[in-house]
Amino acid sequence: AQSVTQLDSHVSVSEGTPVLLRCNYSSSYSPSLFWYVQHPNKGLQLLLKYTSAATLVKGINGFEAEFKKSETSFHLTKPSAHMSDAAEYFCVVTPPTGGGNKLTFGTGTQLKVEL
Amino acid sequence: EAQVTQNPRYLITVTGKKLTVTCSQNMNHEYMSWYRQDPGLGLRQIYYSMNVEVTDKGDVPEGYKVSRKEKRNFPLILESPSPNQTSLYFCASSLWAGPEQYFGPGTRLTVT
Repeated sequence: AQSVTQLDSHVSVSEGTPVLLRCNYSSSYSPSLFWYVQHPNKGLQLLLKYTSAATLVKGINGFEAEFKKSETSFHLTKPSAHMSDAAEYFCVVTPPTGGGNKLTFGTGTQLKVEL
Repeated sequence: EAQVTQNPRYLITVTGKKLTVTCSQNMNHEYMSWYRQDPGLGLRQIYYSMNVEVTDKGDVPEGYKVSRKEKRNFPLILESPSPNQTSLYFCASSLWAGPEQYFGPGTRLTVT
């Protein structure tokens, strides 16, 4: 069984300040973890993925996430927010590669970036 | 260009009137899936298909049907839509060996 919890439904930051979107997971195996981003009226786009290689994963647009097994966390960060980062972000857990493509989505975090 | 397409993008219909939302991918992916997205609930899987003629239920299959007669197409069928099926629907595809999925642009369905 697997599940994922996004700890904040809404996050608001000022442009130029750091972004932290929190995600905790639960899994009975060593999972693969993803962050997807959804801009208004758009489909989902893969931001970054962790598949048991390096625990610090770099994604597109300056985002990165760190897999912490001891804390069962996969938080998404960015040093400096940009207005274009305003979107909804989903943390996703799935069995490791070869274990099937069953994706379990978190409920999403809406990121607002203010001037 | 590698892509997943869905049609229509927007649909308003009435209760009980059968409808089909089409999904097509041009990446030769084995795996395809349908999700619905509702506020505060994230994305929930409706049905998935691991290859031609192989489909299975996801987390919320009630009221939906699918078919996979060709590798590239995976239509979603609502035989008797109800207002609780008003939602935003996404089709996705991926290689069997890779859980990274490619999403279509979404179909916003309203059932009155």
